[in-house]
Amino acid sequence: SQKIEQNSEALNIQEGKTATLTCNYTNYSPAYLQWYRQDPGRGPVFLLLIRENEKEKRKERLKVTFDTTLKQSLFHITASQPADSATYLCALINQAGTALIFGKGTTLSVSS
Amino acid sequence: NAGVTQTPKFQVLKTGQSMTLQCAQDMNHEYMSWYRQDPGMGLRLIHYSVGAGITDQGEVPNGYNVSRSTTEDFPLRLLSAAPSQTSVYFCASSPSPSETYQETQYFGPGTRLLVL
Repeated sequence: SQKIEQNSEALNIQEGKTATLTCNYTNYSPAYLQWYRQDPGRGPVFLLLIRENEKEKRKERLKVTFDTTLKQSLFHITASQPADSATYLCALINQAGTALIFGKGTTLSVSS
Repeated sequence: NAGVTQTPKFQVLKTGQSMTLQCAQDMNHEYMSWYRQDPGMGLRLIHYSVGAGITDQGEVPNGYNVSRSTTEDFPLRLLSAAPSQTSVYFCASSPSPSETYQETQYFGPGTRLLVL
């Protein structure tokens, strides 16, 4: 079965630094991958989608890469701010094409 | 637009009781789904629907029923609650089943359920 892993449960960085979160998947090759942000007590909010033929995608201070050879996506937040503190989830379509599979998330804490 | 709404926000049940978690969206989305989120387990899909009258099981469907009589509503029913169903439940929707997984999923605010 498909597996998706976010390597770190928690990541602590200082304000202004670049945060890098990792998402690895196994057993198949998804057509695309999504990243979501979740704040405590709230539902996830969509951030970015990257397709298998795209190496990199950017949105303001966010950058996502997708390496289909390594079966890995990296999510970067540049010039991080305390307001970026949240849990970040990666998600990809299952092989049957019927559902999104979510990673367990990485909780980012940005200290000032 | 209100987006995806869920009621109640919080519920306490006794083992064996039944209840329905409500979910509604006003974006005319065809695809709707229910997830549960548990510490250390991430989001897991319970049931989903690609349109009115069509539902299917996700990863963890046991103990839950769904129906989709309208595009707007997708209620989740617990027939006989068990402590293992203590969780946070999220409803989500997206525009079109043919494009579903290339579209963002819009999540509701969640329902916190405690089963004693």
